[in-house]
Amino acid sequence: QSALTQPRSVSGSPGQSVTISCTGTSSDVGGYNYVSWYQKHPGKAPKLMIYDVTKWPSGVPDRFSGSKSGNTASLTISGLQAEDEADYYCCSYAGSFWVFGGGTKLTVL
Amino acid sequence: QVQLQESGPGLVKPSGTLSLTCAVSGGSIISSTSWSWVRQPPGKGLEWIGEIYHGGSPTYNPSLKSRVTISVDTFKNQLSLRVTSVTAADTAMYYCASGGLYWGRGTLVTVSS
Repeated sequence: QSALTQPRSVSGSPGQSVTISCTGTSSDVGGYNYVSWYQKHPGKAPKLMIYDVTKWPSGVPDRFSGSKSGNTASLTISGLQAEDEADYYCCSYAGSFWVFGGGTKLTVL
Repeated sequence: QVQLQESGPGLVKPSGTLSLTCAVSGGSIISSTSWSWVRQPPGKGLEWIGEIYHGGSPTYNPSLKSRVTISVDTFKNQLSLRVTSVTAADTAMYYCASGGLYWGRGTLVTVSS
């Protein structure tokens, strides 16, 4: 099972918006509304930011939003803040297992 | 608030077996949520290993399925992971997670002779 495809890096200035894409196939991203997004800072555990494509866990700011079109899911972060600088991973259900994306490093300039 | 704590040997010899446990506090292993293992090799991305629901059969990453066993111990309220025939490629930080929301701090396992 191949990892989902994410850009290796994205960047933006404080206050701007950035979007991270996550491309899979009709067997994973396109086939189910079960895409999650995780934020990971070095040395820390992953933090769930979005689940079921568009939903927020309690405590996650609504600056983070998720969407999906076809086989591609996206995470948009608006009003970028310095603390948003981290690695971001998408994760999709694939029928009987889950698959992560390769990860995207977000740099806040 | 659910808290998870991974534990196990930090060093495993090649061809040996990696065994980790995840102690659950603040919640019950028999709840309806999923219990999973995820790993991250040094300098690489996250990899889903597998998950289990109490009372259900575990599901595994197809690429690891032949070597991995995940189980729960309801008496000890803990989750377990076993990976056989390990190689250097299994060197990673191993995390347990509950429903994707609660995560342990991870434990580093190195495969080396």
